[in-house]
Amino acid sequence: EIVLTQSPGTLSLSPGERATLSCRASQSVTSSYLAWYQQKPGQAPRLLIYGASSRATGIPDRFSGSGSGTDFTLTISRLEPEDFAVYYCQQYGTSPLFTFGPGTKVDIK
Amino acid sequence: EVQLVESGGGLVKPGGSLRLSCAASGFTLSSYNMNWVRQAPGKGLEWVSSISSSSSYIHYADSVKGRFTISRDNAKNSLYVQMNSLRDEDTAVYYCARTRNYGMDVWGQGTTVTVSS
Repeated sequence: EIVLTQSPGTLSLSPGERATLSCRASQSVTSSYLAWYQQKPGQAPRLLIYGASSRATGIPDRFSGSGSGTDFTLTISRLEPEDFAVYYCQQYGTSPLFTFGPGTKVDIK
Repeated sequence: EVQLVESGGGLVKPGGSLRLSCAASGFTLSSYNMNWVRQAPGKGLEWVSSISSSSSYIHYADSVKGRFTISRDNAKNSLYVQMNSLRDEDTAVYYCARTRNYGMDVWGQGTTVTVSS
C-alpha cells in the first residue's frame, strides 16, 4: 500500500506570495496517476491537477504541478484571496485503488 | 451542466443500514467509472469504493469491505452504496465523484451520514 505524506501541515502566507506544497509517496508513483485537489470549508473537493502536471478544466495558470517518482509539488505562483484552502494529493493504485494525502492547509498570515 | 447530487444520508444507530444514491446529469454516466469518497468531521478525504462503467470491476477500502456494496443503474443515471453494519467511525460526509484521467473531476455536494445511538 502506498502512503502519501504532505508537507507542511499548515502554510501561512500572504496574498501575492508563492506557495509550494509537497506530496511524498512511500513508493514510486506513476506520474499519470497523481492528482491534486483544493477544498474550501463546506464545499466538495475540486480537481486542480491530474497526471502530476496537467491543469483540470477551468483551473487558473497560477496553479502548476510537477514531480515524479516519490516527490511531487503543487505550486501556486501568486496567492489570490480565494486560494486559501486545504489541498490534497491523491494517487491511483491497486489496493487501495485511490489514496489521499492528509492535506496541507494554506491560511492567511 | 455536469452535476452529481447525493441523497439518502441521515442519522442511524450503530449496526443499522442506509442506502445512499447519487444522481448524475449533464453527462452519460455509462461512460465513466464512479466512486464514493467520505470525509469524517474535521478530517481528510478517504476513498470508500469504486465501480467501473459496466459494473465489471468493483473495489472497496478495507475499512468498509464486507459491509458496503456499491452499485449503479446506468439506465437511471444513478450510483448507489448500500451501507450495512454501520459503526460510529462511518460518520462522515459521503461524496460521489466521477473518475477521469485517474483523478476525480466531478464531485457532488455530499450527503451527511451520522451513526450514533
